[in-house]
Amino acid sequence: QVQLQQWGAGLLKPSETLSLTCGVIGGSVTGYQWGWIRQSPGKGLEWIGEVNHAGGVNSNPSLKSRVTISIDTSKKQFSLRLQSVTAADMAVYYCARGVRIRVGEESVHDHWGQGTLVTVSS
Amino acid sequence: DIQLTQSPLSLSASVGDTVTISCQASRDISKFLSWYQLKPGKAPSLLIYDSSTLETGVPSRFSGSRSGTDFTLIISSLQPEDFATYYCQQYDNFPLTFGQGTRLESK
Repeated sequence: QVQLQQWGAGLLKPSETLSLTCGVIGGSVTGYQWGWIRQSPGKGLEWIGEVNHAGGVNSNPSLKSRVTISIDTSKKQFSLRLQSVTAADMAVYYCARGVRIRVGEESVHDHWGQGTLVTVSS
Repeated sequence: DIQLTQSPLSLSASVGDTVTISCQASRDISKFLSWYQLKPGKAPSLLIYDSSTLETGVPSRFSGSRSGTDFTLIISSLQPEDFATYYCQQYDNFPLTFGQGTRLESK
């Protein structure tokens, strides 16, 4: 059974960089998309982006200029960096495994991490 | 971006009730819609994908359907563990988008 275990700093000051990592336990990183999704109080769930085992990245245009998503297949970990955070970036951040049911389609998220609450405060 | 409009945004029900949550897409997304359950402090879980296919291990009291750009999640015979927030998500196009969420509370 695949588990995702995530970690990273939960308290940031405005303009700092958010950095989170998610470890994949009990499964392969090959053949899946590894994504980040956040849930903020006023906006519900927002897809941030995803990376595959080869390092190919898709990200939300609304965040693209500030987002870096990367993967270390040898450690079975993938990471999110979000630059220049503001109060609008306060949210619970989830990592998730994306499965493409059929070739050419985008992902459904069948395994999720427990979430990391990120607070932005001076 | 494809907008998903969920209704209602909140819902009160009792154990044993049947509840219906709707999700309307702003344009055709074929059958590429999934439903998730979120509970505070727990990892979210996938309930349904392809509009109506139940994820392995999900109880059969959960069901989904599609009519054009209108999608429905039905929970029959509500159980105590079903009180949670439910989101729809489209995976027809980037960026992936979610509905606003429906909070299901105990009456």
